[in-house]
Parts: sequence; C-alpha cells; structure tokens
Amino acid sequence: NAGVMQNPRHLVRRRGQEARLRCSPMKGHSHVYWYRQLPEEGLKFMVYLQKENIIDESGMPKERFSAEFPKEGPSILRIQQVVRGDSAAYFCASSPRSIADEQFFGPGTRLTVL
Amino acid sequence: SQQGEEDPQALSIQEGENATMNCSYKTSINNLQWYRQNSGRGLVHLILIRSNEREKHSGRLRVTLDTSKKSSSLLITASRAADTASYFCATDATADSWGKFQFGAGTQVVVTP
Repeated sequence: NAGVMQNPRHLVRRRGQEARLRCSPMKGHSHVYWYRQLPEEGLKFMVYLQKENIIDESGMPKERFSAEFPKEGPSILRIQQVVRGDSAAYFCASSPRSIADEQFFGPGTRLTVL
Repeated sequence: SQQGEEDPQALSIQEGENATMNCSYKTSINNLQWYRQNSGRGLVHLILIRSNEREKHSGRLRVTLDTSKKSSSLLITASRAADTASYFCATDATADSWGKFQFGAGTQVVVTP
C-alpha cells in the first residue's frame, strides 16, 4: 500500500510563473490536507478537501492560491504568479475520515522562487 | 499565534541520554499528537494522546498530558543518533468542527554518537 505521493519533489519557478503541486492520497483515503512549512518553522494548515469539495480553506491566502481534489486524479495546489515569499515546503496529508486519529504525510514539494 | 508551542527550540544530547521536550497550547483539545520530521522529509506520526489520558508509552517514547496546564511532554529514553530530527506537537481544538491540526514550531533534537 503506497503512502501519500507528492510530485514534483522539487520545483523551481521564476517570479510571475505558475506552480502546480500534486498530491495522491493513500489508497482508500478521501480526505486531503495541504500545509506550508517555512524554514525553521512548523507546518501551517492551508486547506482541507474531500473529493470535489473544499471543506476548509481558512489557511489559504485569498489571492493567487487555489486547490482542488477532483473525482478522478490527484489533488492539486496551484499558485499563480509566484513571488519569492512563496518559497517553502508544501506538504500534503491524507486520512480515511475527517475526525481521524492520524494524518499520513507525503514527502513534500520544495518550491523555490527565483 | 500557534496553538502548540514547543520548548526548547533546540536540544543537543549524547547517545544514551534522555531527551525531553514540551508542548504548550492555548485552547481545549480533543487530542494531542507528536510527529517527527527528519531533515528534508515529511512528518511521521509517533504517538497520540487523548484529552482524557494522562500518560502513554510507545517503545522508547513516553508522552504525558496535563490538560489543567495545557501542556504535554515527550520523553525519548536512551536516545540514538537516528533520533536526530525535529519533533512537532499537533493539537485539534474542541472548538473546530473537524479535526484540524495545529502544529507548533518544533524542537530540533541532535543526538551525537
């Protein structure tokens, strides 16, 4: 049973470009969570999605950031017109249900904005 | 500010010694969990303690929870070089409608041979 998969593992973008980060949850998990981690800091919650629904996006910046979890395929975190401050590690986690004892984390995507 | 705050920020010990780190939080919680993160990797779940529990053990790990002080401690006994990592506590507040995790900034532990 494969764990949570994220790709790419590393992504380099120039200011103004778009970044697309993908997350495939563990088999049987329909709840996906995205977190952002700045250097030397803990994880900050961004968004919680179920299949085709955004449940809680209270941690997402209002502009340039969007997330989806379609019926088929991985969850996508999209950052438009990236700026240097978007450079961070972005982690995806999944769980089998919303009130889960444990979230299973992917290896993360490290985004560098030049 | 974050729901969970770990203390100390960094800890350096020798193999065989015990490592203790603390986590304080602000609001009532359902559960508190500890995760480990090796450099450049994702988080690995270590242990969960529920709000009605006071202590839990898992191998060389011992976790305590004091809800009156809103604090938890993680003890790693007989540390090994492989325990070198950052350790994070995560809480889910009773006020949240779903089990949203709030992470602290972490304690960076270095175990030297």
